[in-house]
Amino acid sequence: GENVGLHLPTLSVQEGDNSIINCAYSNSASDYFIWYKQESGKGPQFIIDIRSNMDKRQGQRVTVLLNKTVKHLSLQIAATQPGDSAVYFCAENRAGFQKLVFGTGTRLLVSP
Amino acid sequence: EAGVVQSPRYKIIEKKQPVAFWCNPISGHNTLYWYLQNLGQGPELLIRYENEEAVDDSQLPKDRFSAERLKGVDSTLKIQPAELGDSAVYLCASSLEAAEAGHEQYFGPGTRLTVT
Repeated sequence: GENVGLHLPTLSVQEGDNSIINCAYSNSASDYFIWYKQESGKGPQFIIDIRSNMDKRQGQRVTVLLNKTVKHLSLQIAATQPGDSAVYFCAENRAGFQKLVFGTGTRLLVSP
Repeated sequence: EAGVVQSPRYKIIEKKQPVAFWCNPISGHNTLYWYLQNLGQGPELLIRYENEEAVDDSQLPKDRFSAERLKGVDSTLKIQPAELGDSAVYLCASSLEAAEAGHEQYFGPGTRLTVT
């Protein structure tokens, strides 16, 4: 129906907590993964990426973990802030196709 | 550095009317993408350009959608005629090279289309 897709999975956390957002990807041949943050009225913004030959990558306050065995990707945000409130999307690049495929987003709500 | 510029930001049209969206990518970015994003969902690729060549338009509904990237810089996406189901946000993105090379895609703010 028209409301399909409006009911995004939502993670609610308190300011200062650590947040973990999960993503299951579909194609075992995917070789490159990206996390994007999308605020209301804006386009997706790159957060962090990881290649399939790695299982962990750290950025500033963010860590991405990749488990290829179960095709699972997670984004960890340390000391979550109200400005982190947004919808987060994972995206996979399918090797040989040069095309990003985005997953279903997760809405992160951070309470002060 | 200026980001990806899109216009208009919002467009409301009646069904069966034509509509066009414009995108100016980041200077020097060879690859340009048009995505469609429905409410609450991730972006879906419509077309990818490498310079002025459309290298992946497999998801573009060619009966009503068309795109061009003259001179390999700016791009326009057109819908004619628009249908109610075309209501969505149309995002433009650009990158130095294609995603497989690991180059980050930079997104514009999108054009929100409402077809009544």
